[in-house]
Amino acid sequence: KNEVEQSPQNLTAQEGEFITINCSYSVGISALHWLQQHPGGGIVSLFMLSSGKKKHGRLIATINIQEKHSSLHITASHPRDSAVYICAAYYNTDKLIFGTGTRLQVFP
Amino acid sequence: SAVISQKPSRDICQRGTSLTIQCQVDSQVTMMFWYRQQPGQSLTLIATANQGSEATYESGFVIDKFPISRPNLTFSTLTVSNMSPEDSSIYLCSAGTTYEQYFGPGTRLTVT
Repeated sequence: KNEVEQSPQNLTAQEGEFITINCSYSVGISALHWLQQHPGGGIVSLFMLSSGKKKHGRLIATINIQEKHSSLHITASHPRDSAVYICAAYYNTDKLIFGTGTRLQVFP
Repeated sequence: SAVISQKPSRDICQRGTSLTIQCQVDSQVTMMFWYRQQPGQSLTLIATANQGSEATYESGFVIDKFPISRPNLTFSTLTVSNMSPEDSSIYLCSAGTTYEQYFGPGTRLTVT
């Protein structure tokens, strides 16, 4: 069964902390998205990756194909990073399978 | 990349009425999708909007309840028909090409 699992479900941090969100999936994905959803509901695509590592500002996404695992890291976290982070995978189709999301709260 | 806008951003509707949500993309795209996100849940795909033909619905979603139009490569509408409180959700449009999707800001619907 094609699934995407995320951990942790909820995460709180103090401003400045290094944050890691994990995503695991089944065999056979073509690509993986990391998405950010703010309280208003809109979703922003942070990264799309199929191998290796990508970096944008304080955000880093990695994927390990052999271990079927991806991580999203936030360095020097800030309260404005507070959002729900969602991992989603393409299983050789045009359709995304979504994880349940990780709710992050960063306190000053 | 593609920029997606949705209208309305939010609405409060009465039971039994219908609401049409519009999705506009700033460039021509191959794929357009409609998702529902119920409170506290992840996103669920409602249907793929096909240009010039009937939408392709996922299991559990039917055309009578969620009619979809896509008259061209940059625009689509989703109608939520005969609404009940269970339809209270965020409805999101996405667009893009294979393996790369961009999401709209969402429409927050409350049915009373």
